[in-house]
Amino acid sequence: EMQVVESGGGLVQPGGSLRLSCSASGFTFSNYPMHWVRQAPGKGLQYVSTVSSNGGSTYYAGSVKGRFTISRDNSKNMLYLQMTSLRAEDTAVYYCALGGTIIGGWFDPWGRGTLVTVSS
Amino acid sequence: QSVLTQPPSVSGAPGQRVTISCTGSSSNIGAGYDVHWYQHLPGTAPKLLIYRNSNRQPGVPDRFSASKSGTSASLAISRLQPEDEADYYCQSYDSSLSVSVFGGGTKLTVL
Repeated sequence: EMQVVESGGGLVQPGGSLRLSCSASGFTFSNYPMHWVRQAPGKGLQYVSTVSSNGGSTYYAGSVKGRFTISRDNSKNMLYLQMTSLRAEDTAVYYCALGGTIIGGWFDPWGRGTLVTVSS
Repeated sequence: QSVLTQPPSVSGAPGQRVTISCTGSSSNIGAGYDVHWYQHLPGTAPKLLIYRNSNRQPGVPDRFSASKSGTSASLAISRLQPEDEADYYCQSYDSSLSVSVFGGGTKLTVL
């Protein structure tokens, strides 16, 4: 069974940093692009970032560009999201998801998410 | 403000049919990019229902169907059941933003 599980969320002060992790199993991780999507409290799903299958290409939503860095370790089947200069509006549940293609593809499966709270 | 526009809510009685629209523009749906649909229950992982505009994921009941035309797409749910009550999202790609985009989500209430 294809599965992804997020971890690393928590409470962080504005301006702080946090690294999220996503562990993948049940598929050949190195064959697929991977994505991060978030959902702020009471809001809808918002695209965050994508990394290509070999990690060589990365893409970001404008709201996180320059502050967040997506990466992956194919030897460990792990996806990461390094978040810096965090703001209150970054408070959200962060989901990782497998993607079929970088451009125009769908996301499946998703994890259950990890909650990031940015507050003093 | 989401790039793809969905109605905030729809409702229907058990057994009825509802549709959820997803309106985009010439830089996303109108440019020919595929539309995908997800079902999301609070506290759970979002679930892919429909991929590439009209293809049901294995295991998704045939009560769920979707289509795309021009700059819009729609998801139809027939023979509504209480367990269909959830949030539904459309997703596509936007060439102006160079990233994937989601609709704002539609809350389906089964009366």
